[in-house]
Amino acid sequence: DTAVSQTPKYLVTQMGNDKSIKCEQNLGHDTMYWYKQDSKKFLKIMFSYNNKELIINETVPNRFSPKSPDKAHLNLHINSLELGDSAVYFCASRMGGPGWTEAFFGQGTRLTVV
Amino acid sequence: GDSVTQMEGPVTLSEEAFLTINCTYTATGYPSLFWYVQYPGEGLQLLLKATKADDKGSNKGFEATYRKETTSFHLEKGSVQVSDSAVYFCALSDNQGGKLIFGQGTELSVKP
Repeated sequence: DTAVSQTPKYLVTQMGNDKSIKCEQNLGHDTMYWYKQDSKKFLKIMFSYNNKELIINETVPNRFSPKSPDKAHLNLHINSLELGDSAVYFCASRMGGPGWTEAFFGQGTRLTVV
Repeated sequence: GDSVTQMEGPVTLSEEAFLTINCTYTATGYPSLFWYVQYPGEGLQLLLKATKADDKGSNKGFEATYRKETTSFHLEKGSVQVSDSAVYFCALSDNQGGKLIFGQGTELSVKP
């Protein structure tokens, strides 16, 4: 009954590979996010979708491509992985439009590029 | 743009000590403010929130007051426990584009 679930939890892959991380929420929220957490725990927003539409797209290399097949899912595909992509990636969701509601986070996907 | 600044960590306290983690923000308009906690190996959990000036959020003995005049949202707890050891994040949500922006996090370690 996990509210926001991400798969896989751990991902180890070689440089140059392409990989995807999946996220699903069962809270009925219509806004979803991807965040990247670096080794110093800093959280940087990457993307946000509202009702399957991209509303936030921060300065992220275009090797990263989010896809939202429906408002309960937001997947992250990464092409040509680089060592610097190693981090923990968090998916989050929240209710309604912008503003007052809190976001719920998944458990994170620890990506290690070797 | 909007931003959040937290006090540097790590913070190390003895059990039952008083905790303050400072948080200040810069925002246009009237953001909502949050404290999240991240326990080792886990995702972020909402600890408390405040949506307008002078609101006080509280949960599990933690509290923070939204101070518009000082643009601050400091986290306090009167008596910390070993189980409070975690990384604490202050965050703001703008009311326009839906961004949730985090401070850099403050690691708290509580010793018995």
